[in-house]
Amino acid sequence: QVQLQESGPGLVKPSQTLSLTCTVSGGSISSGGYYWSWIRQHPGKGLEWIGYIYYSGSTYYNPSLKSRVTISVDTSKNQFSLKLSSVTAADTAVYYCARDQFYEYSSSSMFADWFDPWGQGTLVTVSS
Amino acid sequence: SSELTQDPAVSVALGQTVRITCQGDSLRSYYASWYQQKPGQAPVLVIYGKNNRPSGIPDRFSGSSSGNTASLTITGAQAEDEADYYCNSRDSSGNHLAIYVFGTGTKVTVL
Repeated sequence: QVQLQESGPGLVKPSQTLSLTCTVSGGSISSGGYYWSWIRQHPGKGLEWIGYIYYSGSTYYNPSLKSRVTISVDTSKNQFSLKLSSVTAADTAVYYCARDQFYEYSSSSMFADWFDPWGQGTLVTVSS
Repeated sequence: SSELTQDPAVSVALGQTVRITCQGDSLRSYYASWYQQKPGQAPVLVIYGKNNRPSGIPDRFSGSSSGNTASLTITGAQAEDEADYYCNSRDSSGNHLAIYVFGTGTKVTVL
């Protein structure tokens, strides 16, 4: 089965760039049909979607973070990455990567998305 | 961005039934997905689509949807079901249908 694993520094200084990589195993990013997302969770808080990338490189970001976020993909390594610039203490969070699937119920004009699986998450602390 | 509203906390007696709701305008067009999160762990998908359970999720978990409200029902709650539960869907405000939003989360306590 597909598994995701986040990696990257656990401590980043304010104003610097947070960089994380998600390695996908058990399946190929290039196979298509899925989006690959980053999601974060501030300590003791809820979940916040950051953005996603398709294997082709097309991306979409949460407008609240768009000016600071870049998500990229390296299909040769079966990885996708997150860069968040100009970080502050407010960016301290557990960062998750997840696979995102979409489905259209043509008979009812309803749609569905879901994130599965998720990586285990990695805590990134922004502090000097 | 539009929000998905959940009750902050609910409690259920062991073996009884509990329903968790999620309200938001996008739910008129998008089925919610539901995630269980236990302390210190990553979220786990429990319900997606109209009412689908991933492999390994017990059949005591079920989902439903009506109008702008999605529901997750645990029939015969077990001690291991004690967790935070989050719904997820799209942001239907403005032109932001490509944005995902999560519900505010519901803490389920099994008594």
